[in-house]
Amino acid sequence: DQQVKQNSPSLSVQEGRISILNCDYTNSMFDYFLWYKKYPAEGPTFLISISSIKDKNEDGRFTVFLNKSAKHLSLHIVPSQPGDSAVYFCAAIRDDKIIFGKGTRLHILP
Amino acid sequence: KAGVTQTPRYLIKTRGQQVTLSCSPISGHRSVSWYQQTPGQGLQFLFEYFSETQRNKGNFPGRFSGRQFSNSRSEMNVSTLELGDSALYLCASSSKIRSGQYPNTEAFFGQGTRLTVV
Repeated sequence: DQQVKQNSPSLSVQEGRISILNCDYTNSMFDYFLWYKKYPAEGPTFLISISSIKDKNEDGRFTVFLNKSAKHLSLHIVPSQPGDSAVYFCAAIRDDKIIFGKGTRLHILP
Repeated sequence: KAGVTQTPRYLIKTRGQQVTLSCSPISGHRSVSWYQQTPGQGLQFLFEYFSETQRNKGNFPGRFSGRQFSNSRSEMNVSTLELGDSALYLCASSSKIRSGQYPNTEAFFGQGTRLTVV
């Protein structure tokens, strides 16, 4: 049973436009959410996080939105840059356990 | 500050063998977690060690085990390897504090060990 779902395996976005990566979760007890970015042959790197008591967190070009009623999380990247091409993992934490989604591969097109 | 170091980077083993992977966390970090990444299942949590004690465990069979040493370095062992164990094994360290407090939940990952079972 997948508790954290990233339903789009891949996404292509024009450079300069907005990239929106989505994540759905099933467990309303998750209290913290994170996004990680992964380049090939490297480990994931932390991008941005949000506590369940908030609905938005912004850090530069990256904004994470949390809709608790819909159990939905999204990562917005504006404007998208070539270096943003990577796999993005959504993760949720509950009781010290972290559960990752399967990832979405983002392609930024020139 | 040196990052998380995993050794070896690449490994090829045959079915039935066992393997030990090593992870050196960032200096000062006491929490080390292990993950398995495969194309079909994505990133899956294996287990977490904090101060030499296993604190959390994912849904993997008993063939997967680990330990942490007093210097926070961790090893992961997989016995009786199966073809399906071929994956990228990632280690992450953090200065995580106990349940209920998340000031440092962001974990820093190593580059991983690519294990191929043939």
